[in-house]
Amino acid sequence: QQPVQSPQAVILREGEDAVINCSSSKALYSVHWYRQKHGEAPVFLMILLKGGEQKGHEKISASFNEKKQQSSLYLTASQLSYSGTYFCGTEEKAAGNKLTFGGGTRVLVKP
Amino acid sequence: NAGVMQNPRHLVRRRGQEARLRCSPMKGHSHVYWYRQLPEEGLKFMVYLQKENIIDESGMPKERFSAEFPKEGPSILRIQQVVRGDSAAYFCASSSGLSNYGYTFGSGTRLTVV
Repeated sequence: QQPVQSPQAVILREGEDAVINCSSSKALYSVHWYRQKHGEAPVFLMILLKGGEQKGHEKISASFNEKKQQSSLYLTASQLSYSGTYFCGTEEKAAGNKLTFGGGTRVLVKP
Repeated sequence: NAGVMQNPRHLVRRRGQEARLRCSPMKGHSHVYWYRQLPEEGLKFMVYLQKENIIDESGMPKERFSAEFPKEGPSILRIQQVVRGDSAAYFCASSSGLSNYGYTFGSGTRLTVV
């Protein structure tokens, strides 16, 4: 069962912040975040392994609440280059080394 | 380091023909995953392979689809007797299998069935 992402889409002005949420009904070992631009391959942003862990990539950071099986991706002071579709991928504890991806969140950053 | 190489980038097949999609993982990666993506949708897991072994094929349709990752050469996703509903982008990803490292995706093969 795939994780649920929200919102499905968000439009931002350059410099604004946004939060993307990812929620699973399964016990998770890790959460990955990827960004895909139109017509291109998904690109790895970061992986979160432990409950409560937070990581950062430029002004993009994420947190992982292992108890709630939830992760959030934070886009801070968004740039035009942040536009794309963001996917969370979850690795379930019972499912081995494979990722199940959410439906994606489309982000459009306008000047 | 050439990354994950997929070919062809675009493939057009008539209904009933066979489609063969190839994927060479990143150097040093022994884990290969295939995903399917319909336009404006997410990535659907198909199969997870290591050299000469299928580890998880729970996302593969039971008929017409098969995958292999031989000891030598690229991983192959094979679709026999293609139908219009098989039209999609097929992405291959590879990993080292170690924690702390994500997947590296190839550029995908866009399959169009006419």
